[in-house]
Amino acid sequence: GNSVTQMEGPVTLSEEAFLTINCTYTATGYPSLFWYVQYPGEGLQLLLKATKADDKGSNKGFEATYRKETTSFHLEKGSVQVSDSAVYFCALSDLSTNAGKSTFGDGTTLTVKP
Amino acid sequence: DTAVSQTPKYLVTQMGNDKSIKCEQNLGHDTMYWYKQDSKKFLKIMFSYNNKELIINETVPNRFSPKSPDKAHLNLHINSLELGDSAVYFCASSQAVGASYEQYFGPGTRLTVT
Repeated sequence: GNSVTQMEGPVTLSEEAFLTINCTYTATGYPSLFWYVQYPGEGLQLLLKATKADDKGSNKGFEATYRKETTSFHLEKGSVQVSDSAVYFCALSDLSTNAGKSTFGDGTTLTVKP
Repeated sequence: DTAVSQTPKYLVTQMGNDKSIKCEQNLGHDTMYWYKQDSKKFLKIMFSYNNKELIINETVPNRFSPKSPDKAHLNLHINSLELGDSAVYFCASSQAVGASYEQYFGPGTRLTVT
């Protein structure tokens, strides 16, 4: 079956530090890959996505590249802000299994300190 | 204008009671979902409907019964509530069933069973 493995948290960084959150996946078909962000007390919202190999998703200074050879979709940001403190979820969606059900990683909690 | 809304936002109730959570989306999407998020932020899909038809039914106690009166609404009814049902429940929608479609999440309903 499909699975998503994320870097374990929590992650604590100082403002303006470089962020990497690792994400690797296992899928039977050709999945689309997503990063969602959940701010405190809110629902998840899409941060970025990539639908095929070598695609790069980007939004709000965050980037992730779909690497089929390493089955990875690592999230990066060059300079984090306090407002980036949130829980980040890597996810995949694969039509070849169970009506395109999305598989989510366990989430990585990021805290950015001023 | 809220895209995916849920009511109530908070629900505190005693063991053994029956309760419902309502969800509405105004995005014109065909597909809706219910997720359960536990205290460690792990996200687990429970159900998915596409055009009012159940397409995903994960291993969930049959005390949980979803109902979709139309494709803009997906409600969740829970019978005989147990302590372990305490969690945050998220409704989500996507344009259709397909690997590339992102999901739009509601703000969540925090259920506390005492």
